Amino acid sequence: EVQLVESGGGLVKPGGSLRLSCAASGFNFSTYTMNWVRQAPGKGLEWVSSISGSSTYIKYADSVKGRFIISRDNAKNSLYLQMTRLRAEDTAVYYCARMVVGPTSEDWFDPWGQGTLVSVSS
Amino acid sequence: DIQMTQSPSSLSASVGDRVTITCRASQSISSYVNWYQQKPGQAPKLLIYAVSSLQSGVPSRFSGSGSGKGFTLTISSLQPEDFATYYCQQSYKTPRTFGQGTKVDIK
Repeated sequence: EVQLVESGGGLVKPGGSLRLSCAASGFNFSTYTMNWVRQAPGKGLEWVSSISGSSTYIKYADSVKGRFIISRDNAKNSLYLQMTRLRAEDTAVYYCARMVVGPTSEDWFDPWGQGTLVSVSS
Repeated sequence: DIQMTQSPSSLSASVGDRVTITCRASQSISSYVNWYQQKPGQAPKLLIYAVSSLQSGVPSRFSGSGSGKGFTLTISSLQPEDFATYYCQQSYKTPRTFGQGTKVDIK
């Protein structure tokens, strides 16, 4: 069974740091681009960052560029998100999601982990 | 960034109703649109990818259509387990962007 399990969320003060992890199982992790997507309380979905299988291609949303770093350890089947200089507006549930690419290069997110809550508050 | 605009933002419907949700992109995105279902306290779940392809295990009452800028998700006969929030998403360009969501609740 393909599974993603996030961890590392919690309460942090503005300006603080936090590292999220996502443990993957049930598929060849190193061959997939992985993503972080977040959802603020009561709000919609916002893509945060992506990293290709070999870590060659890394992208960030403008809202987190320069503050968040995405990384992966294919030997451990794990995805990470190092978050620094956190702001109140970063408060959200953070999901990791696998990107699946179709035969004509469309792509989609499947599956998603259960999410981990990050709360930024003094 | 490509803006995805869903309508309506919410709707009330009864079991057995046909429900249609619309998603409009700010530019043409060919067939690069996906639909997700999210129930309260749960992660989003993929329903349809590449406009009209049904994800494995998703009931056939769900269907998708459209091209270019306009897309629709249709539920042919609403079931109790379908009450949820639905999101469209474009995969044409980075950043990947989502619609604001359509909440379907019980009439």
